[in-house]
Amino acid sequence: GENVEQHPSTLSVQEGDSAVIKCTYSDSASNYFPWYKQELGKGPQLIIDIRSNVGEKKDQRIAVTLNKTAKHFSLHITETQPEDSAVYFCAASGGQGGKLIFGQGTELSVKP
Amino acid sequence: EAGVTQFPSHSVIEKGQTVTLRCDPISGHDNLYWYRRVMGKEIKFLLHFVKESKQDESGMPNNRFLAERTGGTYSTLKVQPAELEDSGVYFCASSQVIETWQFFGPGTRLTVL
Repeated sequence: GENVEQHPSTLSVQEGDSAVIKCTYSDSASNYFPWYKQELGKGPQLIIDIRSNVGEKKDQRIAVTLNKTAKHFSLHITETQPEDSAVYFCAASGGQGGKLIFGQGTELSVKP
Repeated sequence: EAGVTQFPSHSVIEKGQTVTLRCDPISGHDNLYWYRRVMGKEIKFLLHFVKESKQDESGMPNNRFLAERTGGTYSTLKVQPAELEDSGVYFCASSQVIETWQFFGPGTRLTVL
């Protein structure tokens, strides 16, 4: 069935450094790729999304890239801050209605 | 505008008991989804309502789980009887349109002892 692999599972960076999280999806019909940030005790919050007709999207310090041929998409956070510390989830959707298929999550720790 | 709300925030029950989780989506959102995260693993899809109709229930683990959305507003997810492996965090999400961003609630943490 459809599957999303996410790496790394944990990531520790120094404040000000960049962080990159990578995902691979299996369903070639997927056409919508959101990223969620989950802080302790809260539900996942959408931070950025990208559709299959776009290769890259930026929003301030956050960017997402998509390679449809390779079925890869990545989240890039620049100038990381301690408040970026959280669990980040990638997801894919499309071809099976609206349901999201999530990656396993990446626990990002930004050290001051 | 209020976000997605879920009740209760935490539930602890004994194996074999029944638990009902409730989700109130964002007003006007026809699409309502249930997801579950078990023991730090990935968030897994359970089912999708469009208004009061079940659009996709392919993720429901077994017939001990029953979801309803009467009147197309709030939804309930009942687990009867609960088993140990049902422990996890149950999330509800809603969206206006399919295949656009889904807004998640804070989740219900279910612990089955």
